[in-house]
Amino acid sequence: EIVMTQSPATQSVSPGERAILSCRASQSVSSNLAWYQQKPGQAPRLLIYAASTRAPGIPARFSGSGSGTEFTLTISSLQSEDVARYYCQQYHNWPGTFGQGTRVEIK
Amino acid sequence: QVHLVQSGAEVKKPGASVKVSCRTSGYTFTSYGISWVRQAPGQGLEWMGWISTPNGKTDYAQKFQGRVTMTTDTSTRTAYMELRSLRSDDTAMYYCARDAVIMAAIPRDSWGQGTMVTVSS
Repeated sequence: EIVMTQSPATQSVSPGERAILSCRASQSVSSNLAWYQQKPGQAPRLLIYAASTRAPGIPARFSGSGSGTEFTLTISSLQSEDVARYYCQQYHNWPGTFGQGTRVEIK
Repeated sequence: QVHLVQSGAEVKKPGASVKVSCRTSGYTFTSYGISWVRQAPGQGLEWMGWISTPNGKTDYAQKFQGRVTMTTDTSTRTAYMELRSLRSDDTAMYYCARDAVIMAAIPRDSWGQGTMVTVSS
């Protein structure tokens, strides 16, 4: 099983500042990497797939990068509505595995 | 627009069973599978299993083998997840999510709103 490790566990960012979240895979997943946003009390929502492609309706301040084993989700200018837990998921191998998540909060 | 709407919250006693439904709309039901993912309070996302809607083929996480059954009703475009022999650590939010029709991992682009299952004596 491919293990996904996210860091940091919690990131505190001031409004308007940049948030950078990391995700590492225990083996190469090529670009088969997705990011999800889960706001408190809500279901996960797909943000990014294929490592860097935004899902429909996702604001341009969200961007993804990386390939192989190292991936990054960047929120270029943090808004209050971005407070959430963010999960990466590899879909290189069935059934896909999730990281443990990074919580983003307002400083 | 794709929608997955789940049944309401459940409270069950240890040892009981629960059956959660996931009614879909906005896409061709038999062109996608359905995965079930659960989330214990304050914890991460745990994949439970998957069902292929055109033929009922299933794949369950080893942890749930023997305790879970996933089914579909193509006439109502609804997927079901039954979990038996409930324990207190099965207390969680249960989500259905649209998935691939074959066992090929894809991004899960649509999710139900979740069904809270509480197991308590």
